[in-house]
Amino acid sequence: SQTIHQWPATLVQPVGSPLSLECTVEGTSNPNLYWYRQAAGRGLQLLFYSVGIGQISSEVPQNLSASRPQDRQFILSSKKLLLSDSGFYLCAVDGAGNTIYFGEGSWLTVV
Amino acid sequence: AQSVTQLDSQVPVFEEAPVELRCNYSSSVSVYLFWYVQYPNQGLQLLLKYLSGSTLVKGINGFEAEFNKSQTSFHLRKPSVHISDTAEYFCAVSTYTGGFKTIFGAGTRLFVKA
Repeated sequence: SQTIHQWPATLVQPVGSPLSLECTVEGTSNPNLYWYRQAAGRGLQLLFYSVGIGQISSEVPQNLSASRPQDRQFILSSKKLLLSDSGFYLCAVDGAGNTIYFGEGSWLTVV
Repeated sequence: AQSVTQLDSQVPVFEEAPVELRCNYSSSVSVYLFWYVQYPNQGLQLLLKYLSGSTLVKGINGFEAEFNKSQTSFHLRKPSVHISDTAEYFCAVSTYTGGFKTIFGAGTRLFVKA
């Protein structure tokens, strides 16, 4: 079964600073990978998904970008954070039976 | 493109009462359907899923859902809820267009009162 590692677990960043959240997956090869955001009081929003190395689809226009430099590595980045980027970010991977599995998440607070 | 709509943002209900959480979707291709639950201060867990076959699917903790293709719905039901069912519930739709893509609804907060 897949194991998802996501870090950092929590971070507080000032407005205008850069961001890098990293996600790595074990126990599978060529997985579909996702970044979701759960803002306070709101549901899950799909930010990016990737079906392979270097293949990134963006679902919503935003201040964030994603990269997939290796098969089981997915990175979420920003050059300059905005207050509205605060939220709970989840990395996810497709599993057996098309079930989606989530990492532990990263709490981002932009101050 | 597919979309998912959870019609109720909050559902308060008394303990031992039945509950239905509604989910509608739209898609131009075949879909796979899921319900996930997020308990307070915890991550997301899979409740149940519909991939094919019987349209009535049973999940964990006594929940079930029925896939209605004509109404493009996948409502979640439980005949008798417990306090411990208080959580946020997410409906999700997955499609395959060169790769699987999963979209989640905005979530429904189920609040079970004693």
